[in-house]
Amino acid sequence: KNQVEQSPQSLIILEGKNCTLQCNYTVSPFSNLRWYKQDTGRGPVSLTIMTFSENTKSNGRYTATLDADTKQSSLHITASQLSDSASYICVVSPGSGNTGKLIFGQGTTLQVKP
Amino acid sequence: GAGVSQTPSNKVTEKGKYVELRCDPISGHTALYWYRQSLGQGPEFLIYFQGTGAADDSGLPNDRFFAVRPEGSVSTLKIQRTERGDSAVYLCASSPAGNSYEQYFGPGTRLTVT
Repeated sequence: KNQVEQSPQSLIILEGKNCTLQCNYTVSPFSNLRWYKQDTGRGPVSLTIMTFSENTKSNGRYTATLDADTKQSSLHITASQLSDSASYICVVSPGSGNTGKLIFGQGTTLQVKP
Repeated sequence: GAGVSQTPSNKVTEKGKYVELRCDPISGHTALYWYRQSLGQGPEFLIYFQGTGAADDSGLPNDRFFAVRPEGSVSTLKIQRTERGDSAVYLCASSPAGNSYEQYFGPGTRLTVT
């Protein structure tokens, strides 16, 4: 049973447009929720990390939101660039403390076209 | 400084053979993690080391998989009697002592079992 579900599975947008990616999770309790960007053939790179008490965090053109009550998160990308083409993965760290274990969603593949 | 490195970048082996995958974490990082990523999926947790010891090996799929970190730095993931279903990208990540928040990923090793 997948504890972290992402939508859409894939998305194509034009350069300069905004988009929002969704994440629903059932992991409980959880320590923090992260969004990673993974370029093809590379390892994931962290974009944002939020604890359960935070409801928004920004990193440049990336803004993540978290609603711990509904167990939903979103990643909003503003003024998309061609280099934003990648897979975006929602990740939940379960439990409390330093377990180290992360639970990954299946990712949303974003393609930005000129 | 250097990031997490993994060798080899690609490994092709025949069914039934033994393989070793190596991970060099960021210098000074005491926590090390192994994940497996199948095509089109998010990474799946395998094992987490804190220093030399495996703090959580609950993600190892069966006893054909084993990982070591004898000196608390470099780690080797070992797979015995490989099966075609083991084909995936194996990702390694490291994080500073006592900090599960930020995990830094290597580029991965793509394993293909023929």
